[in-house]
Amino acid sequence: AQKVTQAQTEISVVEKEDVTLDCVYETRDTTYYLFWYKQPPSGELVFLIRRNSFDEQNEISGRYSWNFQKSTSSFNFTITASQVVDSAVYFCALSGRSGGSYIPTFGRGTSLIVHP
Amino acid sequence: ETGVTQTPRHLVMGMTNKKSLKCEQHLGHNAMYWYKQSAKKPLELMFVYSLEERVENNSVPSRFSPECPNSSHLFLHLHTLQPEDSALYLCASSQDRSWAAQYGYTFGSGTRLTVV
Repeated sequence: AQKVTQAQTEISVVEKEDVTLDCVYETRDTTYYLFWYKQPPSGELVFLIRRNSFDEQNEISGRYSWNFQKSTSSFNFTITASQVVDSAVYFCALSGRSGGSYIPTFGRGTSLIVHP
Repeated sequence: ETGVTQTPRHLVMGMTNKKSLKCEQHLGHNAMYWYKQSAKKPLELMFVYSLEERVENNSVPSRFSPECPNSSHLFLHLHTLQPEDSALYLCASSQDRSWAAQYGYTFGSGTRLTVV
């Protein structure tokens, strides 16, 4: 069975602060994929990044960076110099081939509030 | 615009009403999904359609009835709903199911449903 835990329900920061959103996962698959999605107030989940289990390189995209560590089963997301537009709910997700199903498992989400 | 369009954006219905949610994608995807997002709960997968055939139904009550007339359109027909069915209903699509596992979904903005 797959499981994704986002222990932080809500994080509140002031603009320009750095913030890290935690994601811890469990899976028995040796090949699996991890994702982060952003859900702004408008509702749609927007794909941010994908990582496969064989690629542990960290990735940076502008102010966003992701730290994938298989040893701790974590895939954390850091926003540097946060902005008000970063306010959203962020979801971590995991997919593999458990039982032949490809359906991703989502975490409960972390609500990030960035104050001006 | 993500390429997945959901209508209506908001819907208020009585428990005896019948209504339908619509999802349309012009991405050439072959798999479509209905998710339910309730407050303080993880995203719940409701139905999966692949090439217009329903391939998963996660123990959803019969008051929710999906329909996929072609690969671009997906409906969710609602009747005799309960107040606890109030939620954000999200439609998603992917190239195919295995693609979703590796590359993620494209989501619509959702329909905010309130049952009174």
